[in-house]
Amino acid sequence: AQTVTQSQPEMSVQEAETVTLSCTYDTSESDYYLFWYKQPPSRQMILVIRQEAYKQQNATENRFSVNFQKAAKSFSLKISDSQLGDAAMYFCAVNTGNQFYFGTGTSLTVIP
Amino acid sequence: DVKVTQSSRYLVKRTGEKVFLECVQDMDHENMFWYRQDPGLGLRLIYFSYDVKMKEKGDIPEGYSVSREKKERFSLILESASTNQTSMYLCASSLAWGGRNTDTQYFGPGTRLTVL
Repeated sequence: AQTVTQSQPEMSVQEAETVTLSCTYDTSESDYYLFWYKQPPSRQMILVIRQEAYKQQNATENRFSVNFQKAAKSFSLKISDSQLGDAAMYFCAVNTGNQFYFGTGTSLTVIP
Repeated sequence: DVKVTQSSRYLVKRTGEKVFLECVQDMDHENMFWYRQDPGLGLRLIYFSYDVKMKEKGDIPEGYSVSREKKERFSLILESASTNQTSMYLCASSLAWGGRNTDTQYFGPGTRLTVL
């Protein structure tokens, strides 16, 4: 079975600053995909960023980027220039085939 | 844009009632999923379906069943609701590749179910 660990239940960041959310995973598969999802309060879960494990280059989406360390099985999310709208629960997930495996989430607070 | 809708945002039921949660997606996705989300536990997979009339158990199927009669619709059924099934229920859909494999999942808004 795959496991996904988010060791930071809660984090906070000052508006306009940078924050990094950590995620580690365990899988014996060689080919898989990694995801970060964002769930704002009382709102729908949406995809933030996706990384294919066979690609060495880290994915980026505007202010969001990942630091993917395959050997260490680490997949952290960096949010630059944090905005109030970034406040949400963030979930890391691994997809090894026909299932996703999610972490327990990190609640991010953005301080004005 | 992919749209996944769920029949109710909030639902209150009594112990022993039969409960239906419905999910509809409009992007012709092969795969559909039901999760429950509880604080500190993340998302746990209840059931998923990779084709019409096909289903597979996830990690916590006990007390639940599912139905997929049409490609766009995936229903979660609680045969006899219990208080420990009070939770947020999320539906998701995705394209499939290589058979049953799933690509990026797109989520519905969730149904917060309270069982009294």
